Amino acid sequence: SQQGEEDPQALSIQEGENATMNCSYKTSINNLQWYRQNSGRGLVHLILIRSNEREKHSGRLRVTLDTSKKSSSLLITASRAADTASYFCATEQKTGNQFYFGTGTSLTVIP
Amino acid sequence: KAGVTQTPRYLIKTRGQQVTLSCSPISGHRSVSWYQQTPGQGLQFLFEYFSETQRNKGNFPGRFSGRQFSNSRSEMNVSTLELGDSALYLCASSSMPDQPQHFGDGTRLSIL
Repeated sequence: SQQGEEDPQALSIQEGENATMNCSYKTSINNLQWYRQNSGRGLVHLILIRSNEREKHSGRLRVTLDTSKKSSSLLITASRAADTASYFCATEQKTGNQFYFGTGTSLTVIP
Repeated sequence: KAGVTQTPRYLIKTRGQQVTLSCSPISGHRSVSWYQQTPGQGLQFLFEYFSETQRNKGNFPGRFSGRQFSNSRSEMNVSTLELGDSALYLCASSSMPDQPQHFGDGTRLSIL
């Protein structure tokens, strides 16, 4: 499959702790994006990192990209109960420009 | 600015029927993509339209088709429905194909 794999599949942490989730992919990419999805809703775009970038920040979010290892990580600092959701990485393939989503990480933040 | 609107939100059909789902993108967005989301297969790309032309197509049978109109609104059609077509169908729009996508809340399709 050309889909990315996310790790872990599920993560449960206490409010205030940091949450880290990882994404691995298989082919060369133009960019990698992270999305969140609340139950029964559409996806919300969080952050986009291009293939020539190594790290990006947005508020409490920090994303890293290692194209040599074909992997990315999303760090959410000082988590809140409202961060409870599923998080997906999506890669835009260099060949064909198709989007492929990872399998997702289900994050539960316990108040 | 209004978000991506998908109609209907819920739909129940029986095997063998056909269905048309609608997506209105964010004003000014010309790229529209469709995805199927199921618990078993996750999010799978169906197709992408840009300026009324299909730009990319995922690995789905020909029963799944789509189109985009001159106002960027898009429709997706599934013919001869099968039980396995039960899923959440998500539409996403972006200003250009390589820009972040904005998703609608989806159409939940159930096949009986």
